[in-house]
Amino acid sequence: EIVLTQSPGTLSLSPGERATLSCRASQSVKSSYLAWYQQKPGQAPRLLIYGASNRATAIPDRFSGSGSGTDFTLTISRLEPDDFALYYCQQYGNSPFTFGPGTKVEIK
Amino acid sequence: QVQFVQSGAEVREPGSSVKVSCKASGGTFGNHVVTWVRQAPGQGLEWMGGSSPFFDTSHRAQMFQGRVTFTADESTSTAYMELSSLRSEDTAVYFCARGVPTDMSNSYYYMDVWGKGTTVTVSS
Repeated sequence: EIVLTQSPGTLSLSPGERATLSCRASQSVKSSYLAWYQQKPGQAPRLLIYGASNRATAIPDRFSGSGSGTDFTLTISRLEPDDFALYYCQQYGNSPFTFGPGTKVEIK
Repeated sequence: QVQFVQSGAEVREPGSSVKVSCKASGGTFGNHVVTWVRQAPGQGLEWMGGSSPFFDTSHRAQMFQGRVTFTADESTSTAYMELSSLRSEDTAVYFCARGVPTDMSNSYYYMDVWGKGTTVTVSS
């Protein structure tokens, strides 16, 4: 089973700032099959990025993903008030499809 | 745009079973994989497995082997997840989601459309 580690656990930033979230896998992720999801309290997750760097439909271009192998990054170029939430990475190249523990982006 | 509509909250006693439904509203499952993910209170996301109604294939996480069954009724575009031998640790919100296959094998997929979730509480 691939274990995903996300850092930091919590990111305290102000609107307009840049957010950089890290996701590290315990072994190489097949074909960069790595997705990022955003979740707000009481809501279902929302797909942001798939295939490590492909933005999902209707996702603003301030969200970008990068990385390969075992190291992946989600970048939010300029935080907007709606972006303060929990973010999960997930690998879907090796069963079971595991999620990271999440990074909380909170308002500073 | 298809939406996934899930059944309402359930309360079950330990040792019993629960069956959660997930209906594709405004569309069908097509060649997608209906995936199930759960989230215990205050915890992260846990992938349970998925099934392809069109290809009649399914797979599940090892930890749920023998306890979870995925079925589907294509005539009503409804998928089901049944979890048996319930214990208190199964108390969670259960999400269904549409898995988009990355290749013809249907073995690798990311989830792009999610249901709102079904709360299952296991308590005596």
